[in-house]
Amino acid sequence: GESVGLHLPTLSVQEGDNSIINCAYSNSASDYFIWYKQESGKGPQFIIDIRSNMDKRQGQRVTVLLNKTVKHLSLQIAATQPGDSAVYFCAEKKGGGGNKLTFGTGTQLKVEL
Amino acid sequence: NAGVTQTPKFRILKIGQSMTLQCAQDMNHNYMYWYRQDPGMGLKLIYYSVGAGITDKGEVPNGYNVSRSTTEDFPLRLELAAPSQTSVYFCASRDSGGASDTQYFGPGTRLTVL
Repeated sequence: GESVGLHLPTLSVQEGDNSIINCAYSNSASDYFIWYKQESGKGPQFIIDIRSNMDKRQGQRVTVLLNKTVKHLSLQIAATQPGDSAVYFCAEKKGGGGNKLTFGTGTQLKVEL
Repeated sequence: NAGVTQTPKFRILKIGQSMTLQCAQDMNHNYMYWYRQDPGMGLKLIYYSVGAGITDKGEVPNGYNVSRSTTEDFPLRLELAAPSQTSVYFCASRDSGGASDTQYFGPGTRLTVL
């Protein structure tokens, strides 16, 4: 899961296994959530998003689950590959002007061969 | 489309120097954002703009200024660099129309203030 601090939580998985990365969000009024992947030395890259009127959305090898009751978001990656190694961030849109996103601190995913 | 581009990629400044980080996008997006990312942390919003001529403060605006004279460009200015501004800076843009709230990011500028 995600936490505040200098040390990123790390998830290590074997190649081919499924990965689940968790995120707790803060605002029950947030209406949009998004997952980004950030490889070392690069900018965040969009993976998948979901609106608050849904509880599940699937993409290619990725699924996002939203549990509004406990304010929890998860990203599932099927058949994890070495290229999936990166830091994953969740972000929420809390409303207000500018459609601003608030980011979590990230989870480091390490794929072991 | 090149997407969101940022220059320079790297820069070292001395305390008290000034510089401008450049950001441009060719997607005709009205919304643009500047973030900073400190080691092991998420992104913090510095400033944002909802269109040419309109800018507003984000979460951590102190020590920075922005302008938005065109839709394409959104430069970030540091007037008196301080060590606390050592960070990686990301620019992002978003389409104001349509159903997507996705922000698209540039590759970042790594700034060190000594």
